[in-house]
This record gives sequence, structure tokens and C-alpha cells, in this order.
Amino acid sequence: DAKTTQPNSMESNEEEPVHLPCNHSTISGTDYIHWYRQLPSQGPEYVIHGLTSNVNNRMASLAIAEDRKSSTLILHRATLRDAAVYYCILRDGGGGFKTIFGAGTRLFVKA
Amino acid sequence: EAGVAQSPRYKIIEKRQSVAFWCNPISGHATLYWYQQILGQGPKLLIQFQNNGVVDDSQLPKDRFSAERLKGVDSTLKIQPAKLEDSAVYLCASSLAVGGGTEAFFGQGTRLTVV
Repeated sequence: DAKTTQPNSMESNEEEPVHLPCNHSTISGTDYIHWYRQLPSQGPEYVIHGLTSNVNNRMASLAIAEDRKSSTLILHRATLRDAAVYYCILRDGGGGFKTIFGAGTRLFVKA
Repeated sequence: EAGVAQSPRYKIIEKRQSVAFWCNPISGHATLYWYQQILGQGPKLLIQFQNNGVVDDSQLPKDRFSAERLKGVDSTLKIQPAKLEDSAVYLCASSLAVGGGTEAFFGQGTRLTVV
């Protein structure tokens, strides 16, 4: 299964944009890129996913590199509620959520 | 839309005892997953069901862990006997389908402490 690499932690100021990077150099052509976040004492929460094109939803934007070997989750205006661990994972389009979660990126947001 | 329900939220047991966790997925979701999350780590997939059949249980310690999904809806995960290293949060998730283009929805988890 393809793996992802993320920085251990990042820090942001409130109301500023945040760019969370993810490397997935061994991604296969059928792998979707998913992002989840986990707040303290809660289960992971879906944020966004994409295959090849950039994606936007009410929570965030996902920018996918042309060669798909990296992606960036963009939070347009960070709030204190966005402080969480963010996981970038790959999900096989052929089926199976044999998804390998890494340690994720812990995002700290300063007021 | 109701989310994934798990119970209990917390459980403390002594080593060598047995414990069971229950999960009720989102209505209509065919795929159900059980994850183990040790403190400070990302979730690790234990078992995945498609309806009531097992799709992947390669990381399930089958000598002590078992899981079933009767009638393709609710699921239970059992540990017998428990070890100290089983202390973790057990997360249940469900998704509409198996395909990579669908998102998974997670429950709040059951925090197990083995003493």
C-alpha cells in the first residue's frame, strides 16, 4: 500500500491561510487522496478528497500536483477550532479502505 | 443524518479479561471498518466488512480478537483475553461503498484501558 509523508506539526495564526503538505511519491493511478482531521477525544472527520483535479468544499481546498506525487490541503482562514491532527491518506479506487494512516500533522492555531 | 454510533465510550478491564465493543453504522452503508488507535499514533485498520462478509482482516490478531457483522448492519469487536498492549481507542467507521472515491465516517470510539 502506498504511504504518505507529512510534517509532524505546523503552526498558524488565527484567520490566516494554512497550507498542509503531503508527499505520496508511490501513489498509483487509481488511488484517491483523502484528508481527514481528528480533534481531541473524537474520531477522525472527513475533510476532502480528490483524484487528479483540485477540489473545493465548504471546509477546505485540495491542491494536487500534476504528477500526483504530492498534494496540499488549504484551510483558507484558520480558526481555533481547526486545531487538530490532519491525516493525508490514499484510498484505492479499486476498493478497500486498507488505508494506512501515518502519524499526521498536528496543527496548532494561535489566537 | 445519524452518525456512526459506538458503545461503550469507555471501558476499564483487567488483563486476561474479555471485552466487547458495539458499532451501529450509518444506515445504508455497506462497508464497515474497525480501527485501533494507540495514543500518539494514527488509526490502524483491524478489519473491514463489505455487508456481512470480511474483506480484509490481515492486521487483526486473530488469536485474541474477533469481529462479526450480523445481517450486514451492526458489528461487534471482541478481545479475549485482553493484554496490557490492547489499551487503545477502538474506532468504528462506515462508508457507502468500498470505492476510493467515497468518504468514511467515524464514530467517537471506545477508549479501552487494560490494567
